[in-house]
Amino acid sequence: DAGITQSPRYKITETGRQVTLMCHQTWSHSYMFWYRQDLGHGLRLIYYSAAADITDKGEVPDGYVVSRSKTENFPLTLESATRSQTSVYFCASSEGREGGNQPQHFGDGTRLSIL
Amino acid sequence: AQSVTQPDIHITVSEGASLELRCNYSYGATPYLFWYVQSPGQGLQLLLKYFSGDTLVQGIKGFEAEFKRSQSSFNLRKPSVHWSDAAEYFCAVGALGYKLVFGAGTILRVKS
Repeated sequence: DAGITQSPRYKITETGRQVTLMCHQTWSHSYMFWYRQDLGHGLRLIYYSAAADITDKGEVPDGYVVSRSKTENFPLTLESATRSQTSVYFCASSEGREGGNQPQHFGDGTRLSIL
Repeated sequence: AQSVTQPDIHITVSEGASLELRCNYSYGATPYLFWYVQSPGQGLQLLLKYFSGDTLVQGIKGFEAEFKRSQSSFNLRKPSVHWSDAAEYFCAVGALGYKLVFGAGTILRVKS
């Protein structure tokens, strides 16, 4: 089915470990985004990508790394996980049509706990 | 810089009553505005969007929103709330680079 898929849905890891969250979309959308959702903060943008091999920092990029070698995939890596990175992570995608912002389509999220 | 304020963290309404969720934005030009809904354990689903034109926008699930430039507001309304509308609602404004800036969200509780 077409859509945006995140994996895993749940992950528990320890501080200092590296962990990668996966995001895959089937729409061929040019733009992809990673957010974290924390109580009282809404969604905060971590990184985004305008196309394959083009990425840029969002509001809270520290401690995270992204890559986008293919249009459909946008993995997010925590290089050395810290407890403050315990959160729910959402991936989203949108078209990059001229004329302004297009709606973003969201995955179901990854709930990450760092012990 | 763009910002969005949702003044109400929680709202409780009775089933069948009307609903209005408030959203105020800060943006220099004509904004692109969105409302999303999030059910527990789910991602965000688009309810409606405003790009230009008619200031009253219709969305899915019986929701509508009105853009008021003079008040920098984009409030979400529904004439009769159903128990299944209980969720968290997010207002967002478009920003440069096709990004969105989200408000902190309003949690809607529905009393039976």
